[in-house]
Amino acid sequence: TQLLEQSPQFLSIQEGENLTVYCNSSSVFSSLQWYRQEPGEGPVLLVTVVTGGEVKKLKRLTFQFGDARKDSSLHITAAQPGDTGLYLCAGDVGGYNKLIFGAGTRLAVHP
Amino acid sequence: NAGVMQNPRHLVRRRGQEARLRCSPMKGHSHVYWYRQLPEEGLKFMVYLQKENIIDESGMPKERFSAEFPKEGPSILRIQQVVRGDSAAYFCASSPQGASKGEQYFGPGTRLTVT
Repeated sequence: TQLLEQSPQFLSIQEGENLTVYCNSSSVFSSLQWYRQEPGEGPVLLVTVVTGGEVKKLKRLTFQFGDARKDSSLHITAAQPGDTGLYLCAGDVGGYNKLIFGAGTRLAVHP
Repeated sequence: NAGVMQNPRHLVRRRGQEARLRCSPMKGHSHVYWYRQLPEEGLKFMVYLQKENIIDESGMPKERFSAEFPKEGPSILRIQQVVRGDSAAYFCASSPQGASKGEQYFGPGTRLTVT
């Protein structure tokens, strides 16, 4: 059974701080997605990483895929209250198009 | 370009009734996926469909649940004889033909409450 473990589960920080969220598995994924979900809404795709060691930047967000394609991280620089939300990582079990989701990291950024 | 549409957004059913959840994929997308999110839990894969075909239903409960994606019209997730444990948010996602990178775009979900 493939599992994706996210840490930390909860994160409460002040505006302007940096943070990193981790997503780990013992399984190899052909790709990994990061989503953000607001209460009462569906997950919104932020990024897809495919190649081991790949780094992608989206404004203040930096996503990294581990060399072995088993883990990933999301780093947010100078967090803002608008970054508040549930961050989910999801791995694609290659060829099956079936996403395995982590339980999520609930981020609260206080002004 | 409209995103993934789901309706209804909220659905209340009494135990024993049937629930029908609809999903219209993004324009140009021919792959549809259904996921369930139980309260305080992560999203769990249920079923993967292409037009008129069920590709992978390994996450579907064996009884009472069925899904279809007809040639015309939306994909339907059908739950017969609902029980309290079926109360959850049900999300549909879609991806375009040939997508191989796991990119799926989600709808806003249908929140099912069984009373």
